[in-house]
Amino acid sequence: DAKTTQPNSMESNEEEPVHLPCNHSTISGTDYIHWYRQLPSQGPEYVIHGLTSNVNNRMASLAIAEDRKSSTLILHRATLRDAAVYYCILRANAGGTSYGKLTFGQGTILTVHP
Amino acid sequence: EPEVTQTPSHQVTQMGQEVILRCVPISNHLYFYWYRQILGQKVEFLVSFYNNEISEKSEIFDDQFSVERPDGSNFTLKIRSTKLEDSAMYFCASRITGIYGYTFGSGTRLTVV
Repeated sequence: DAKTTQPNSMESNEEEPVHLPCNHSTISGTDYIHWYRQLPSQGPEYVIHGLTSNVNNRMASLAIAEDRKSSTLILHRATLRDAAVYYCILRANAGGTSYGKLTFGQGTILTVHP
Repeated sequence: EPEVTQTPSHQVTQMGQEVILRCVPISNHLYFYWYRQILGQKVEFLVSFYNNEISEKSEIFDDQFSVERPDGSNFTLKIRSTKLEDSAMYFCASRITGIYGYTFGSGTRLTVV
């Protein structure tokens, strides 16, 4: 599996935007970039995914570099409930039949201050 | 919003005993997974299940582990003879076909004493 690199931790203030970076320099052409988060004592939660174009949904935005070697998860207005571990994961789509296991790294611990 | 349901939320078992962890995936999902997370460590893949058979498994998923989808709704993980090092949170996940995201359950905390 292609590897991702994320900062160990980041801090933000409530109601401010947060930009969580992820480097994935060995990404292959068919790898999708997925983001999940894990709130304390809960299972991982899907946030967003993309391939080449920037993506928006109700939770966040995903900005993907033109060369796809890095991406940034953007939380537009952080709330205390956004405090979690955020994981950037490359998910292979092998030949259209992907069993698609996710390989989690350590992620970025996001702390949100009131 | 549809959920993946796991039961029990917490199970304590004696070393050497068999445990069965239960999951009800989202009804129209086709791919099913078990992951585990030892306290303070990363989430680790155990096994994926598709079309009523194991499609991929990790080195952790040895002969002591088995999975089953007995009735088209439940998805179970069995550990035949638990060891102390099996103590962890076990997460079930499911997804629909394609490149979409997974939905994870809230987990079962397994404590082996």
